Amino acid sequence: QVQLVESGGGLVKPGGSLRLSCAASGFTFSDNYMSWIRQAPGRGLEWLAYISTTSGFTKYADSIKGRFTISRDNAKNSLYLQMTSLRVEDTAVYYCARNLVNDYWGQGTLVTVSS
Amino acid sequence: EIVLTQSPGTLSLSPGERVTLSCRTSQSISNNFLAWYHQKPGQAPRLLIRGASSRATGIPDRFSGSGSGTDFTLTISRLEPEDFAVYYCQQYGSSPYTFGQGTKLEIK
Repeated sequence: QVQLVESGGGLVKPGGSLRLSCAASGFTFSDNYMSWIRQAPGRGLEWLAYISTTSGFTKYADSIKGRFTISRDNAKNSLYLQMTSLRVEDTAVYYCARNLVNDYWGQGTLVTVSS
Repeated sequence: EIVLTQSPGTLSLSPGERVTLSCRTSQSISNNFLAWYHQKPGQAPRLLIRGASSRATGIPDRFSGSGSGTDFTLTISRLEPEDFAVYYCQQYGSSPYTFGQGTKLEIK
């Protein structure tokens, strides 16, 4: 069955960096676009980015453009989100999801940005 | 950026009732690339409907989606206890792939 498992979240100071990972299994990872979505505590969902199957095409939300980078390693069935210049308002649960329509989601990893 | 507005914000209903949720978009959605999700407390969202009207894998037929252009609806024909959750719509036709603010369906 399709499984997506995020990792790499934690507590980081404002201005710091963090790299999130998403390990995929149960499907042909290299055949699928992948996305990152986040949810601040008690808030709604915010789409962040997607990456095409061969990494040739990426798109970002304005809120993270220039600070976050989405990437993937098809040999390792893994998706990544490199986050830099983190702000307090980046505090959220970060989800990876399969496809542009987000047909499967991981359980999320919590990122807390606080001094 | 396409803005999605969901209504109502909160609905209080009883199991067995029929409910229709609304999602209006600020621009027409290309190819009806409109999805519906629900999210229960402490869980990840789950895809219910894609392409405005196609049920996702494993979703029971009491869930149905309809609409086109800028007006979309999700209907649950008869509420089950497990349906009480927050419902989100999302457009994936034009980047950024924005979500609505959500409708909370609570037990009356």
